[in-house]
Amino acid sequence: AQSVTQLGSHVSVSEGALVLLRCNYSSSVPPYLFWYVQYPNQGLQLLLKYTTGATLVKGINGFEAEFKKSETSFHLTKPSAHMSDAAEYFCAVSERGGATNKLIFGTGTLLAVQP
Amino acid sequence: GAGVSQSPRYKVTKRGQDVALRCDPISGHVSLYWYRQALGQGPEFLTYFNYEAQQDKSGLPNDRFSAERPEGSISTLTIQRTEQRDSAMYRCASSLEPGLAKSYEQYFGPGTRLTVT
Repeated sequence: AQSVTQLGSHVSVSEGALVLLRCNYSSSVPPYLFWYVQYPNQGLQLLLKYTTGATLVKGINGFEAEFKKSETSFHLTKPSAHMSDAAEYFCAVSERGGATNKLIFGTGTLLAVQP
Repeated sequence: GAGVSQSPRYKVTKRGQDVALRCDPISGHVSLYWYRQALGQGPEFLTYFNYEAQQDKSGLPNDRFSAERPEGSISTLTIQRTEQRDSAMYRCASSLEPGLAKSYEQYFGPGTRLTVT
């Protein structure tokens, strides 16, 4: 069965510092990979995704993530944090070629950005 | 166009009551998903519809939970005889038909916060 592990339920960075949020997955076949962001009182918003092709994918708001098959990882990064990046971030996977594309989520990482 | 909408946004109910949560997907999206998110956790899959057909209900926790989508558009998630452990955020998402390009991209509604007292 597929599973997703997000290391660090809370991450705090200073404004302008590097953001690194970790995600590892467990799957016999590399799945589709996603990062979603949840701002307070809002729905989940897709940040970026990896399905095929280039393993470094760029998303909205300056975020990017790299798929590393050998490490079964899909870590999310941003070179310089902004106050508006404070939110909860979820890594998710879905089965490649699955019948439903249902998502399996990690437990989330709450990102705080200090001035 | 409009995104996924859910109603009510907040629902407080007494233990033992039935509740119905509504989801209106993005127009043209034939796939519809329900997820449940407990506090401090990620969303967990409940059920999936392709048009009006409920093709996967493996995530429904017990027979008190049911869902329908009779006309292939709006969906209702019903919880009978609610219990305190049912308190959570219930999220709905929609996407294009499986097999189409970008059908794996799900768009989420704002959720319904259910509190059972």
